[in-house]
Amino acid sequence: DADVTQTPRNRITKTGKRIMLECSQTKGHDRMYWYRQDPGLGLRLIYYSFDVKDINKGEISDGYSVSRQAQAKFSLSLESAIPNQTALYFCATSDAPTSGRTGELFFGEGSRLTVL
Amino acid sequence: DQQVKQNSPSLSVQEGRISILNCDYTNSMFDYFLWYKKYPAEGPTFLISISSIKDKNEDGRFTVFLNKSAKHLSLHIVPSQPGDSAVYFCAASDSLTGGGNKLTFGTGTQLKVEL
Repeated sequence: DADVTQTPRNRITKTGKRIMLECSQTKGHDRMYWYRQDPGLGLRLIYYSFDVKDINKGEISDGYSVSRQAQAKFSLSLESAIPNQTALYFCATSDAPTSGRTGELFFGEGSRLTVL
Repeated sequence: DQQVKQNSPSLSVQEGRISILNCDYTNSMFDYFLWYKKYPAEGPTFLISISSIKDKNEDGRFTVFLNKSAKHLSLHIVPSQPGDSAVYFCAASDSLTGGGNKLTFGTGTQLKVEL
């Protein structure tokens, strides 16, 4: 089983619908992230959380919200989906930086979202 | 404003030859750099990293070089193998923001290693 699990893996929805992408991890990491990948734009950070009580905006948080329900669970919501939110979404986890391991993120397999 | 740039969207190399993937950055606060590899239908996986206090880090067939004055880093893969065919993302972080885990990614380079 994957250490970082994302559901659903694929979703097609319509403009204006509410969508939730869920992420759960078994790595025991405190830090969790949501990224989106778009062709020609790489991966961009949407939100991140360093522990259960901590939520931070990334570079493209508008139109998104998150919930950190537990150390192992971090969900991403689109309250009213729009077509330019069509993308591949990745959840990631990490431990606190230690010598030689700064920045090492562990990614899920991705959730492909299409908004019509 | 793209702070981490990978100007080559694709690269094709013959098996056994050297692959060189390049990355440029603009933020002088970045002090840690990483390369991730991504296969289709999978999430990115960590490959190799380098701290700004070094100019080279080697791990088997993979070597990352950092030129701070030019704000440039490169990933060398030698010898290249067909299994190395993937998208490679360069990423950077600064230890003052997000404790070093808040990564800024480049746009990726699709490497194809041909037989």
